Amino acid sequence: DTAVSQTPKYLVTQMGNDKSIKCEQNLGHDTMYWYKQDSKKFLKIMFSYNNKELIINETVPNRFSPKSPDKAHLNLHINSLELGDSAVYFCASSQQGTGANVLTFGAGSRLTVL
Amino acid sequence: AQSVSQHNHHVILSEAASLELGCNYSYGGTVNLFWYVQYPGQHLQLLLKYFSGDPLVKGIKGFEAEFIKSKFSFNLRKPSVQWSDTAEYFCAVKSGGSYIPTFGRGTSLIVHP
Repeated sequence: DTAVSQTPKYLVTQMGNDKSIKCEQNLGHDTMYWYKQDSKKFLKIMFSYNNKELIINETVPNRFSPKSPDKAHLNLHINSLELGDSAVYFCASSQQGTGANVLTFGAGSRLTVL
Repeated sequence: AQSVSQHNHHVILSEAASLELGCNYSYGGTVNLFWYVQYPGQHLQLLLKYFSGDPLVKGIKGFEAEFIKSKFSFNLRKPSVQWSDTAEYFCAVKSGGSYIPTFGRGTSLIVHP
């Protein structure tokens, strides 16, 4: 069983389109994250949810909207896609508390905007 | 605010060479420190972590890291690298006042057979 699963793994789309990436974790963790990894491998936090509540919202265009229907899911919707949105998006989860802060990452979703 | 610096952006070694990747952080209080590895085309995986106790931490695949508080460093080491160690290595730090860890920019390691 995959601990953190993301779909789709690859996404190729045109500029201006709207797309979503889904993430699910079966670890029972209470916190989920979206990270963006650019072409230089730099990993940047975008959002974090704890028990469905938004706790981290970094400087990200408002075209990006996360949604957490329950603590096992954190989806990312992107409106009006731009070329600069091309990247690999990683979902991750963790359990807050003692021994926490260890992130379990999904396999990534490679978004290519043409 | 916490920050992490990885000074070596690209490292190229031959098999059996020794490895040391630098990691320095800025926060002066209690920290949790991590090294993650990303093999080509894969997701990040935890290599090792330091929360407290022995500052010399052993991880998977023969890696270790040493927390030196006075130098704000958490360098990653391996005595003899293998071709399969080719990957991106990310140092991360979480301070007591922060909710999530901050990642360094990563070091790309290429090991030639």
